[in-house]
Amino acid sequence: EVQLVESGGDLVQPGGSLRLSCSASGFAFAGVAMSWVRQAPGKGLEWVSTIVYSGATAYYADSVKGRFSISRDNSKNTLHLEMNSLRDEDTAVYSCVKLAGWITSNWYFDYWGQGSLVTVSS
Amino acid sequence: QSVLTQPPSVSGAPGQTVTVSCTGSSSNIGAAYAVHWYQQLPGTAPKLLIYDNSNRPSRVPDRFSASKSGTSASLAITGLQAEDEADYYCQSYDSSLSAWVFGGGTKLTVL
Repeated sequence: EVQLVESGGDLVQPGGSLRLSCSASGFAFAGVAMSWVRQAPGKGLEWVSTIVYSGATAYYADSVKGRFSISRDNSKNTLHLEMNSLRDEDTAVYSCVKLAGWITSNWYFDYWGQGSLVTVSS
Repeated sequence: QSVLTQPPSVSGAPGQTVTVSCTGSSSNIGAAYAVHWYQQLPGTAPKLLIYDNSNRPSRVPDRFSASKSGTSASLAITGLQAEDEADYYCQSYDSSLSAWVFGGGTKLTVL
């Protein structure tokens, strides 16, 4: 059974930093791309970042580019999201998501974690 | 403002059929990128409902189907059940943004 468990969410002041982690199990973690998707309270889904299976390439939404950094440790089946210069509008539940599909541009999100709440407020 | 446009809400009585539209542009759906659909039940994480335009994961009942044409896609739910009440999201890739994009979501109410 695929399991994705996020941790690290917290209340942080604007301009602050936070590191999210995701522990994965039930599949060959080192062989698949992974993403972070967020959902602001009462709002829709927003793709944040994707990292390929090896960690060699990462992609970011314009809204977080230059402030967030995705990484992975395939030896520990763990995905991370380093978030800096946090803004009020970054407040959301951040979900760790497993990707599937053959072509990068047609990748889809086949398993989701329950998410970790990040609140940015003074 | 989402890149993919969905109606905010749809509704139907038990047993009826409802459709959810997803309208994009020439840089996403119209560029032949696949469309995928997700179901988010209240208070839970999203689940994959349809992938690659019209394919269902084995656990998804065949009451759910989807299609794509031109710059739009649609999700159809037949034999509506109370348990189908949820938010539904379409998703594709946008070449202008170099980003995976979601629709704004559609809330389905079963009357």
